[in-house]
Amino acid sequence: GESVGLHLPTLSVQEGDNSIINCAYSNSASDYFIWYKQESGKGPQFIIDIRSNMDKRQGQRVTVLLNKTVKHLSLQIAATQPGDSAVYFCAENNQGGKLIFGQGTELSVKP
Amino acid sequence: DAMVIQNPRYQVTQFGKPVTLSCSQTLNHNVMYWYQQKSSQAPKLLFHYYDKDFNNEADTPDNFQSRRPNTSFCFLDIRSPGLGDAAMYLCATSTSRGQGEQYFGPGTRLTVT
Repeated sequence: GESVGLHLPTLSVQEGDNSIINCAYSNSASDYFIWYKQESGKGPQFIIDIRSNMDKRQGQRVTVLLNKTVKHLSLQIAATQPGDSAVYFCAENNQGGKLIFGQGTELSVKP
Repeated sequence: DAMVIQNPRYQVTQFGKPVTLSCSQTLNHNVMYWYQQKSSQAPKLLFHYYDKDFNNEADTPDNFQSRRPNTSFCFLDIRSPGLGDAAMYLCATSTSRGQGEQYFGPGTRLTVT
């Protein structure tokens, strides 16, 4: 049958606090990065993206930071709400037309 | 609204019985992708079409095939499903290969009995 599921890293935050989700990527040649949110039983939903010529990009309540020196990406969510509870995946586009997904982090928001 | 549609949302098939999953898009995107996602894991790319050009991932089993009869539709055929093929299957589209976000459908949850 299906292989035993892995345990995702989990981040638990209080409603109203800020959340920071981190991701390490593998390919120094990757030039485009995306954060996706995936709620249970649904497909991944685009949150925000950033190109490698930038180190910061802001959206509504979300900020993505890119540190190419250490190949690190982070997603900051301001004033986290219960509706933000989901699994968050970073993905890198490796110039080959493919998205390489990171492991995923499960965000749990406590009311 | 423009979107990626997957049917059915839930599919049950028997061990060894061929099954086809469907994806359609109203975005008129050139590229369509199929991913397999198992519990608590990241989506894993199986293959993608750039227009009619089929691109298979090296580690995608031969048991998985795909068809894209036109821009709007793409099918995933599993010729002889095994218990290990039970998973969520995600279809995605993008305007171009290499840049830009991929738009995902809601997925089809496949159960193999």
